[in-house]
Formats: sequence, C-alpha cells, structure tokens
Amino acid sequence: AQSVAQPEDQVNVAEGNPLTVKCTYSVSGNPYLFWYVQYPNRGLQFLLKYITGDNLVKGSYGFEAEFNKSQTSFHLKKPSALVSDSALYFCAVTTSGTYKYIFGTGTRLKVLA
Amino acid sequence: DTAVSQTPKYLVTQMGNDKSIKCEQNLGHDTMYWYKQDSKKFLKIMFSYNNKELIINETVPNRFSPKSPDKAHLNLHINSLELGDSAVYFCASSPTGTGNTEAFFGQGTRLTVV
Repeated sequence: AQSVAQPEDQVNVAEGNPLTVKCTYSVSGNPYLFWYVQYPNRGLQFLLKYITGDNLVKGSYGFEAEFNKSQTSFHLKKPSALVSDSALYFCAVTTSGTYKYIFGTGTRLKVLA
Repeated sequence: DTAVSQTPKYLVTQMGNDKSIKCEQNLGHDTMYWYKQDSKKFLKIMFSYNNKELIINETVPNRFSPKSPDKAHLNLHINSLELGDSAVYFCASSPTGTGNTEAFFGQGTRLTVV
C-alpha cells in the first residue's frame, strides 16, 4: 500500500533562514511525488513534482525538493523563507495507473518575522 | 477562469438531510476526484472517476453517491447527513490517472452538519 509520512506537525523558521519540510514515502513501483501548499480557507496549490530524471526539482515561489530514492524521501526546501510562506504543506505520492494521490498529514510552516 | 470550480462554497444543514455538491473542470482532463479533509486537515481520497467511469471507491459509506454526467463534471450527493460528515470536500482533476501529472484542486466546500 502507498503511504506518505510528514514527521513534523509544525516547522518554525525565522524569515530569511533556509527551510526544510520533510517527507518520506512508501510505494510499490516508481513513485511520482508532489508538494502542495494550502493557505487558510483555500484549496491546494501545486508547488512542484518529481516524475523522473534530475533528483533536484524546482518549483513555484522559489521552492525546490530533492528526491532521494535510497532514503525514500522528498524533502521540500527553500533557501530563504518569507513570512508569506507560512501555510500548510502537503506531500503526496502516486504511482502509474492507481488513480489516486495519497497525501501526508501536512506540516504547518510558520515563518517568523 | 476557474479551472476546477465547486458549488456551494459553504453548506450548513441539519442531520438527516440530503445535499449535493457540484464540481466542474474546464481543463479537458479525463480524471476527477473527490477528497475529504477532516478537522485535523487530513486529506483522504473518496472517489476517482476516469471518463465518467468510477475507478476508485475508497470504502466510503453508501450514503455518498458520486455522479459524473460527463467527464467535465463530478457531483457528490450525500444522503441522511450525519454529524461526522462535517468536513471540507475537495474536488480535483488530472489529465489522466497515470499519475505522472499533478492534480488541480477546487476551492473546497465546507460542509457543516448540525
């Protein structure tokens, strides 16, 4: 069965500092991995994805993520956090032909001014 | 131009009532989904449809009945509403169900059962 773990309920970081939001996954077969962000009372906005190829993927708003197959991880990173990055972040995984995205439990990112 | 739109945005109703949530996507996608986000913000797949055909029913009670009149629409009808049905329901779509593309989400419908 597919699963995603986001071990941190909340991550606090000072504005201007680098941030990391952790994600590990478990699937049979090749994973397709995604990060989404949710602002209060809003839907999920797509940030970036790993499908194949380069392990470092870049996405919207300066975010990037590194796919690590041996550690089954796909951590979200940003070199310099902004207060406006404060939101709920979800990691998701799927595999070919499964017709569903499995989401982690979400990590609340708080960037302090 | 909203890509995935849901109506209504808010729904407050009494226990035992029947209600529907509508979803439309104008992206030309083949696959559509319903997700439930509970009070702890956990997101759980309920249904997925591909070209109007049900692909996944993730052990959802029979009181929930999705209907896809065409591949651009996926509606959710809920009978005999219960307090535990209170949640935010998200509709989403993706080009295919092959997984190598992201899903696009609607703004959500906050259902409150009183």
